[in-house]
Amino acid sequence: AQSVSQHNHHVILSEAASLELGCNYSYGGTVNLFWYVQYPGQHLQLLLKYFSGDPLVKGIKGFEAEFIKSKFSFNLRKPSVQWSDTAEYFCAVNGVGNDMRFGAGTRLTVKP
Amino acid sequence: SQTIHQWPATLVQPVGSPLSLECTVEGTSNPNLYWYRQAAGRGLQLLFYSVGIGQISSEVPQNLSASRPQDRQFILSSKKLLLSDSGFYLCAWSVAGLRYGNTIYFGEGSWLTVV
Repeated sequence: AQSVSQHNHHVILSEAASLELGCNYSYGGTVNLFWYVQYPGQHLQLLLKYFSGDPLVKGIKGFEAEFIKSKFSFNLRKPSVQWSDTAEYFCAVNGVGNDMRFGAGTRLTVKP
Repeated sequence: SQTIHQWPATLVQPVGSPLSLECTVEGTSNPNLYWYRQAAGRGLQLLFYSVGIGQISSEVPQNLSASRPQDRQFILSSKKLLLSDSGFYLCAWSVAGLRYGNTIYFGEGSWLTVV
């Protein structure tokens, strides 16, 4: 079965710092990849997704992610974080089935 | 527009008691439906998913079960709760054909505390 690994459990950055959150998956076939975000007290919401085409995907709020098939990775990036980016970020993968599996999540704290 | 609702939002149940969490989706037909459990540091654990009425796939063997009696209704149940069942449970849905890049949408979640 496919699985998702997120390397960092908790990341602390200052405002304007650059962000990269790692995500690796284990699945040999075609995959769809997602990043979800959960702001404090709010629902999970989609940041961005990849299912075909350009491996560099742009999402909301200035986030982007790059799908590197050879590395089984889908890292999330943002050039300059803001205090409002403080949240928990989840990487998810979906293979040929209708299930979707999430990583353990990375908590991002941005200090003003 | 589509909406998803789950209830109750919070629940405190004694060990050994039954459980029923209910989830309904409005504004779409034949959705894929999911139950996840979210635990700190462990992300979202997929418990069950369903691609149609009466079709349930179980991911984790445990004392929970799921049922889909109607197209847009998904129920998470237990006959006898354990302390380890405490957690935050999320219902979710997606357009059928998730593998084609469709997004999954989450409900508000239900906090279950087993005492």
